[in-house]
Amino acid sequence: GNSVTQMEGPVTLSEEAFLTINCTYTATGYPSLFWYVQYPGEGLQLLLKATKADDKGSNKGFEATYRKETTSFHLEKGSVQVSDSAVYFCALSDLDNDMRFGAGTRLTVKP
Amino acid sequence: EAQVTQNPRYLITVTGKKLTVTCSQNMNHEYMSWYRQDPGLGLRQIYYSMNVEVTDKGDVPEGYKVSRKEKRNFPLILESPSPNQTSLYFCASSLSSAGGTNQPQHFGDGTRLSIL
Repeated sequence: GNSVTQMEGPVTLSEEAFLTINCTYTATGYPSLFWYVQYPGEGLQLLLKATKADDKGSNKGFEATYRKETTSFHLEKGSVQVSDSAVYFCALSDLDNDMRFGAGTRLTVKP
Repeated sequence: EAQVTQNPRYLITVTGKKLTVTCSQNMNHEYMSWYRQDPGLGLRQIYYSMNVEVTDKGDVPEGYKVSRKEKRNFPLILESPSPNQTSLYFCASSLSSAGGTNQPQHFGDGTRLSIL
């Protein structure tokens, strides 16, 4: 079946540091890939998505590229801010709406 | 404003006392789903619904029931709650995957259940 594996946290960075959160997936067919962000006390919000190989999703300075050859969708940001502190979830969805989430990575950015 | 609304946000109750968590969306989405979030396990799907009167089991359906009598509502029912159902629950909705496009899901703010 489909599955998502993302790097374990927590991740602690200083403001303006470079961020990478690794995500790899296992899937049959051609899933869409997503990153969701969860701020304290809130539900998940879509951060970015990519629907086919080599697509790059981007939003709010975050980027991730759909790499079919390495089955990866790593999240990156060049310069993090304190306001980026949250839990980040990698997810995939196939055409049957079967959505799978990674375990989540907690990011803390210190001033 | 497009949203998914869950109620209650917090509930503490006792083993065996039936409870219902409501979920409503105002986006005319076909697809709705319930997840539970537990530390280190991410989100696990409990039940989902592709449309009115169509529901199916997710990965962890034991101890839960759902219904989809109307498009906008998708309540989660715990007939006889037990302590292992203490968790954070999320309802989500999306458009269907018609046309071959995988749609992102919109989430409610969550319901924290504590079963004593």
